[in-house]
Amino acid sequence: DAKTTQPNSMESNEEEPVHLPCNHSTISGTDYIHWYRQLPSQGPEYVIHGLTSNVNNRMASLAIAEDRKSSTLILHRATLRDAAVYYCILRDPYGGSQGNLIFGKGTKLSVKP
Amino acid sequence: GAVVSQHPSRVICKSGTSVKIECRSLDFQATTMFWYRQFPKQSLMLMATSNEGSKATYEQGVEKDKFLINHASLTLSTLTVTSAHPEDSSFYICSAEKGVTDEQFFGPGTRLTVL
Repeated sequence: DAKTTQPNSMESNEEEPVHLPCNHSTISGTDYIHWYRQLPSQGPEYVIHGLTSNVNNRMASLAIAEDRKSSTLILHRATLRDAAVYYCILRDPYGGSQGNLIFGKGTKLSVKP
Repeated sequence: GAVVSQHPSRVICKSGTSVKIECRSLDFQATTMFWYRQFPKQSLMLMATSNEGSKATYEQGVEKDKFLINHASLTLSTLTVTSAHPEDSSFYICSAEKGVTDEQFFGPGTRLTVL
């Protein structure tokens, strides 16, 4: 099954952009790229997802490489509330049980004031 | 965004007792609900997938007789931890989705402590 690779941790300064990378070299054609984040002692929160084209929403932007083997979550202006563990997850919506969200270790983002 | 609630948010029980956790989608009908477990400093682990009106599908290694899941309606799923033991102490999180291509909405989690 397709997997993702993320750095264990990253640091950012408040109000600066943050680029969180994710490698997924074995992605299949039907895998969507999902990003979730989890603040301490809370359930995960959906951030963004996409298939091929770059995506923007009020929280973030998702840049997907042309070959889809990597993607980058972009937080345009980090705030202290963005400090969380960010998970990049591949999901095949038509894969039955193989299409379930499988959480890896994610990237722990620290934001310095 | 859609809201998923869990109740209770925190529970402490004695070893050997059963604990029921409710998961509700408040403003949408969920085609599928999911139950996860998270131990300290670890990532979420999927326990089971629950569809309304049918039996839950459990992940490998998860005992279905110990973790009873009932999905009574399109807005409610319950997880009952039967005969709980200290090793069942964990953070239990549910999620719900409207459709397979949509995002999942997660509940705030339930912290279970078994003494």
